[in-house]
Amino acid sequence: DGGITQSPKYLFRKEGQNVTLSCEQNLNHDAMYWYRQDPGQGLRLIYYSQIVNDFQKGDIAEGYSVSREKKESFPLTVTSAQKNPTAFYLCASSIVLSVYSNQPQHFGDGTRLSIL
Amino acid sequence: GENVEQHPSTLSVQEGDSAVIKCTYSDSASNYFPWYKQELGKRPQLIIDIRSNVGEKKDQRIAVTLNKTAKHFSLHITETQPEDSAVYFCAAVKGGGADGLTFGKGTHLIIQP
Repeated sequence: DGGITQSPKYLFRKEGQNVTLSCEQNLNHDAMYWYRQDPGQGLRLIYYSQIVNDFQKGDIAEGYSVSREKKESFPLTVTSAQKNPTAFYLCASSIVLSVYSNQPQHFGDGTRLSIL
Repeated sequence: GENVEQHPSTLSVQEGDSAVIKCTYSDSASNYFPWYKQELGKRPQLIIDIRSNVGEKKDQRIAVTLNKTAKHFSLHITETQPEDSAVYFCAAVKGGGADGLTFGKGTHLIIQP
């Protein structure tokens, strides 16, 4: 969607290096998400945030960290502790209407991370 | 946690025929089920979704059915066209608010001319 911007489109990481992936949205969505996609696999949830200054671990949070200092921004850091970081990383966002009803998640164009 | 199984992994149909993709989920508390279409190298795009309080939803050539008792839901595409060729993902989440989705592994739909 035009309202979710991920950068860079391609990223290369050296061994032992931390890298940060950017995700910005101008949709005024409360919730933001990070997913990882490997070839032939579905998307797997890394972290998500429902409100500023709060976030929760997803299914594969080890080796990753996030922050949510602003509503529109949810950067993901891939640390050196993540031993197999090569993947396609997708950021998504959604509105939050109530605690009883999930709303559609819309995705950015993704960042493809590779190891040098 | 939730587990979503999706079948088949690859589906080849003749143009104009129908395609059906099936998913099962494990958590009976799940109540929101979206379907995404992803073309090669691009973002997943939401094509249809269904909530647990309805059994079927249609949008032109696309429909989704949900059987809560059996914990499975299906995507139906009628009158398939070449532009329907893509990978389709089902997902599930339990309410509410804004929890992350659990995805199936995807179905590669190939439309044969």
